[in-house]
Amino acid sequence: GENVEQHPSTLSVQEGDSAVIKCTYSDSASNYFPWYKQELGKRPQLIIDIRSNVGEKKDQRIAVTLNKTAKHFSLHITETQPEDSAVYFCAASRIPGGGADGLTFGKGTHLIIQP
Amino acid sequence: DTGVSQDPRHKITKRGQNVTFRCDPISEHNRLYWYRQTLGQGPEFLTYFQNEAQLEKSRLLSDRFSAERPKGSFSTLEIQRTEQGDSAMYLCASSDRLGHHNEQFFGPGTRLTVL
Repeated sequence: GENVEQHPSTLSVQEGDSAVIKCTYSDSASNYFPWYKQELGKRPQLIIDIRSNVGEKKDQRIAVTLNKTAKHFSLHITETQPEDSAVYFCAASRIPGGGADGLTFGKGTHLIIQP
Repeated sequence: DTGVSQDPRHKITKRGQNVTFRCDPISEHNRLYWYRQTLGQGPEFLTYFQNEAQLEKSRLLSDRFSAERPKGSFSTLEIQRTEQGDSAMYLCASSDRLGHHNEQFFGPGTRLTVL
């Protein structure tokens, strides 16, 4: 089955700086890669996703890049703000939205924005 | 609230007891997922329904776990003869196959504590 590795487990950056979180996946058939943000005690919420037919996608301060050859994808957050502090999860699946395989998640990155 | 809802939000039980959790997906979402999340980990996929059909159940953690979605709307997850290792957050998610992004929307979760 799919295996998703996520690094780093904790990332501390100064407010206003950029943050980068990296994930690798094992199943070359995976073609859907969402990123979820989970604040303490809250539900995971989708912040951005990318499908395998594109290499990069941006939404304001957030961008995701995908390298299918190397089987890795990354989340980039620019101009970080205190409200960006949370745990971020990458995930992968063979079917957009998950299908019968569900989503395979990484272990998460605790992003800390230092004032 | 038109989001995914789960009941109860918290459940404390004694080892050996049976527990049942309910999930109400977003109205008209035909896909429903159950995940388990333990402390410091990403959600772990358990099972998947498309309408009332359970299309994937091999990921259920043991034969003590079962799920139903009898009318294709709400779903229940039952754990029989609970063990301390079952303590975790149980998350439900739903998605719309015809939706533009196929995003999985998560509920707030049911936190299970087995004493």
